[in-house]
Amino acid sequence: QITLKESGPTLVKPAQTLTLTCTFSEFSLDTSGVGVAWIRQPPGKALEWLALIYWDDDKRYSPSLKSRLTITKDTSKNQVVLTMTNMDPVDTATYYCAHRATIGLDYWGQGTLVTVSS
Amino acid sequence: QSVLTQPPSVSAAPGQKVTISCSGSSSNIENNYVCWYQQLPGTAPKFLIYDNNKRPSGIPDRFSGSKSGTSATLGITGLQTGDEADYYCGTWDNSLSAYVFGTGTKVTVL
Repeated sequence: QITLKESGPTLVKPAQTLTLTCTFSEFSLDTSGVGVAWIRQPPGKALEWLALIYWDDDKRYSPSLKSRLTITKDTSKNQVVLTMTNMDPVDTATYYCAHRATIGLDYWGQGTLVTVSS
Repeated sequence: QSVLTQPPSVSAAPGQKVTISCSGSSSNIENNYVCWYQQLPGTAPKFLIYDNNKRPSGIPDRFSGSKSGTSATLGITGLQTGDEADYYCGTWDNSLSAYVFGTGTKVTVL
């Protein structure tokens, strides 16, 4: 059974950089077609797709956040890391990582709530 | 703001049917497969429908999907209290080169 778990700070200050780690099991980011995506959800609001990294290290970013996001992978550790710079209170959200198969985002982590406040 | 539009809410009595629309464009729904995700209160989203109308293993056949042109639809028959959740459509957008989600629809069982 594929599992993913997000980890990182629960509280960051405005203007700081957020670093989140997605640790996964039962799949490899070496496998053709596989990817890991990051999605966020502000309290009471809709899902927002942030970024995706593929098995071949190809990367895609949300156009509206591209300048602030970096996604990387460490295949040996089964981890994907997302960094978001210049955090603002509007970035307060639950951040999810998800396994990307060719058919869609089929497995999701439990999510981690990040609050941006001074 | 999302490029995929859904109604904010739908409701029906137990045992009845609801449909949820997802309206997009030629850069997303019309030329890509659509997925649907179910988010029960306080939980992570769950993969519900893929390739417009296919159900992953374990998803009951009360859930169905369809697509026509630039719109997709999720149907839920035999509505149960356990179906109360937020539902999101999702697909790739070729113009944005990004995945996009719908605005989300809250299903209420009366």
